[in-house]
Amino acid sequence: QQPVQSPQAVILREGEDAVINCSSSKALYSVHWYRQKHGEAPVFLMILLKGGEQKGHEKISASFNEKKQQSSLYLTASQLSYSGTYFCGTDTSNTGKLIFGQGTTLQVKP
Amino acid sequence: GAVVSQHPSWVICKSGTSVKIECRSLDFQATTMFWYRQFPKQSLMLMATSNEGSKATYEQGVEKDKFLINHASLTLSTLTVTSAHPEDSSFYICSARARGQNNSPLHFGNGTRLTVT
Repeated sequence: QQPVQSPQAVILREGEDAVINCSSSKALYSVHWYRQKHGEAPVFLMILLKGGEQKGHEKISASFNEKKQQSSLYLTASQLSYSGTYFCGTDTSNTGKLIFGQGTTLQVKP
Repeated sequence: GAVVSQHPSWVICKSGTSVKIECRSLDFQATTMFWYRQFPKQSLMLMATSNEGSKATYEQGVEKDKFLINHASLTLSTLTVTSAHPEDSSFYICSARARGQNNSPLHFGNGTRLTVT
């Protein structure tokens, strides 16, 4: 079952922060976050495994609440290069197969 | 490292013809590859899991006889769209995970844009 992302779209000014949420109706073994720019392949951002961990990558971090079956992606001090569509991919079968959410489109303006 | 190459990057074909898309892992071995399809402004929809040396596993609603998958080696999987129709026009993306690393990142190819006229 496809995870649900919110919000569907976000418009920010450079330097502002954003949070993207990903919610699953099934128990999660892992959550993967990707960013895709128009016409390009998705680019890996980070992976979170069972254990409620939080990870960071420059000014982008994420959390994973196993009990709530949710993950959130945090973008701080956004840059123009952060623009794109963000997808969470969830593994609910521990097979490595990822089902992606519908995506959150982020637009960062100068 | 962990590069996935997909070919062709775009193809235009006539209705009724077949198109083959190749997905190669260039610097790692992949026992499993995944094929996704993406329509404009939509999500990545998993079509099938390609397993080296065995039959592919298709997601519900995906026609096995229409989307033929072959994973003949640890570095190559192919997707053949048979008897293509305009509604098959889409962006097809393959992805692979290094052998034996179930929770490692999926590495995506650059995708193939298929247009059926």
